[in-house]
Amino acid sequence: AQTVTQSQPEMSVQEAETVTLSCTYDTSENNYYLFWYKQPPSRQMILVIRQEAYKQQNATENRFSVNFQKAAKSFSLKISDSQLGDTAMYFCAFVPLHSGAGSYQLTFGKGTKLSVIP
Amino acid sequence: DTEVTQTPKHLVMGMTNKKSLKCEQHMGHRAMYWYKQKAKKPPELMFVYSYEKLSINESVPSRFSPECPNSSLLNLHLHALQPEDSALYLCASSQDPGQLSGANVLTFGAGSRLTVL
Repeated sequence: AQTVTQSQPEMSVQEAETVTLSCTYDTSENNYYLFWYKQPPSRQMILVIRQEAYKQQNATENRFSVNFQKAAKSFSLKISDSQLGDTAMYFCAFVPLHSGAGSYQLTFGKGTKLSVIP
Repeated sequence: DTEVTQTPKHLVMGMTNKKSLKCEQHMGHRAMYWYKQKAKKPPELMFVYSYEKLSINESVPSRFSPECPNSSLLNLHLHALQPEDSALYLCASSQDPGQLSGANVLTFGAGSRLTVL
């Protein structure tokens, strides 16, 4: 079984500053995907960024980037130039890559509530 | 169209009522999902439909009854719910059933907030 841990229940950051959200996971799988989802007050879960475990290069999407440390089983999210619209709950999620039937089930962390302060 | 649309946005019902939640997507996705999310918690998977057939039921009580009338539409029929069923119900879809991946990701709707009195 997999577990995903987000150790920061709440964080805040000043507008235009940089913030890093932490995520660690535990798995015996060698191949998997990791995701960060954002859920603003509008409630819709929005995919922010994805990372394949067998790719050493850290994923980047505009102001969002990850620091993926496979050996340490760590997958942190860095938000640069924070904007008010980044205020949201952020969930880290994991899915193993299985041959055959495949895996439909995302394992989510408990989330980090990020507030961007003007 | 890259959206998953859910209606209604809010629903209040009594324990003896029968109501339905509706989810629609026009992305040609072949898998659709229902999740339940309690306040300040991550989503929990309830049901998965693959090619319009129920493929996964995560031991959900029978007072929740899913239905997939066609490839674009997913319903969740509610009957004799309990106050503890009050939650945000999220619908999601993915291009293909089975393995989620970086290329086969979940696209979520904005949810239906359900309150059971």
